[in-house]
Amino acid sequence: QVQLVQSGAEVKKPGASVQVSCKATGYTFSTYGINWVRQAPGQGLEWMGWISGYNGNTDYARKLQGRVTLTTDTSTNTAYMELRSLRSDDTAFYYCARTYCSGGSCYSGPCDSWGQGTLVTVSS
Amino acid sequence: DIQMTQSPSALSASVGDRVTIACRASQSISSWLAWYQQKPGKAPKLLIYKASSLESGVPSRFSGSGFGTEFTLTISSLQPDDFATYYCQQYDSYGAFGQGTKVEIK
Repeated sequence: QVQLVQSGAEVKKPGASVQVSCKATGYTFSTYGINWVRQAPGQGLEWMGWISGYNGNTDYARKLQGRVTLTTDTSTNTAYMELRSLRSDDTAFYYCARTYCSGGSCYSGPCDSWGQGTLVTVSS
Repeated sequence: DIQMTQSPSALSASVGDRVTIACRASQSISSWLAWYQQKPGKAPKLLIYKASSLESGVPSRFSGSGFGTEFTLTISSLQPDDFATYYCQQYDSYGAFGQGTKVEIK
């Protein structure tokens, strides 16, 4: 069955960077993309961007462009999300989720399988 | 960017009730809309995609409708397992989510 397993919780200081990993099993990694979605404690969902598992193409939410980078390692079927210049309002659960792709481009939804979430806390 | 607005933000209902949640897009998104259910401490779960298509394994009491800018999620007969927060998401351009609708026990 499809599984996305994320790395563990992180605590970072303001201005630092964080990288969260998402290992995919149970499907052909190159056939799908990975979306990243975050959720501040007690708040709603925010789409961050997607990356193609086939060719590494990406698309990012305008709000985060310049601070977020999505990458993949196709040898291990793992996706990574790096967020830089962390601020206190970046404190959130970060989720990876599988999405559909076509012709080298992916969709920001629908997300049919999700990781368990990774809590990133930004605090001095 | 496309904005998504859900209503109501919260509702109270009883087991067996018919529940309807609305989602409005700031511009036309055709049928590129999904609905998710999220329970506390858990990742969201996909219920509906392409506005009205039921995800495999999701009970048939869930249904979606709409096109363009106006969409609806309906639970035909609310069950104890359905008390949760529901989100719509457009995937026509980027991937904005609605702010969520919390369904609570009356």
